[in-house]
Amino acid sequence: KAGVTQTPRYLIKTRGQQVTLSCSPISGHRSVSWYQQTPGQGLQFLFEYFSETQRNKGNFPGRFSGRQFSNSRSEMNVSTLELGDSALYLCASRPGQDYEQYFGPGTRLTVT
Amino acid sequence: GQNIDQPTEMTATEGAIVQINCTYQTSGFNGLFWYQQHAGEAPTFLSYNVLDGLEEKGRFSSFLSRSKGYSYLLLKELQMKDSASYLCAVSRAGGSYIPTFGRGTSLIVHP
Repeated sequence: KAGVTQTPRYLIKTRGQQVTLSCSPISGHRSVSWYQQTPGQGLQFLFEYFSETQRNKGNFPGRFSGRQFSNSRSEMNVSTLELGDSALYLCASRPGQDYEQYFGPGTRLTVT
Repeated sequence: GQNIDQPTEMTATEGAIVQINCTYQTSGFNGLFWYQQHAGEAPTFLSYNVLDGLEEKGRFSSFLSRSKGYSYLLLKELQMKDSASYLCAVSRAGGSYIPTFGRGTSLIVHP
């Protein structure tokens, strides 16, 4: 079975722009979660989608949003980028409400 | 809120045993995760403890004491490939199993 895939792997954007990141979960997994990882704050939960609905949400501003499609693929959007948004964005999938999640390789976003 | 503490860095010798500690304070605690993350790679799941006690899985074991808000990850027969960051994370009651991560412990294994 193929693992979780994320595109693009690397991205450079300018402050004020917006960005969309994509995540394809493991086949059969209906839950996709997004995380931000930075050296200063560590790994922080953004939100989780299950069957096209946001099921859980972390403490991030409204500039961070996401959606999930009927095939369980998910996208994450960040609008009005700030320098502090530079981070590794990871997505993780799981079948349903299992405790074990499978992480993708991440998208490294650099905001200049 | 939640507070998770673990050492920033540890070093150990190949073949030895190392214990990585994690203490936490959280309301509505459900269980505790350990993840391994090699540099430049995705985190991988190691264990999830809900009940007090030690759970062994090959060279890795994880311990939990709910009353003390304490956990540790024990790595035996260390190998060079065990050099990685080890992330402790807690999940809260409610059934979502969404982990809240600590900052991670960078383990360096030297010959």
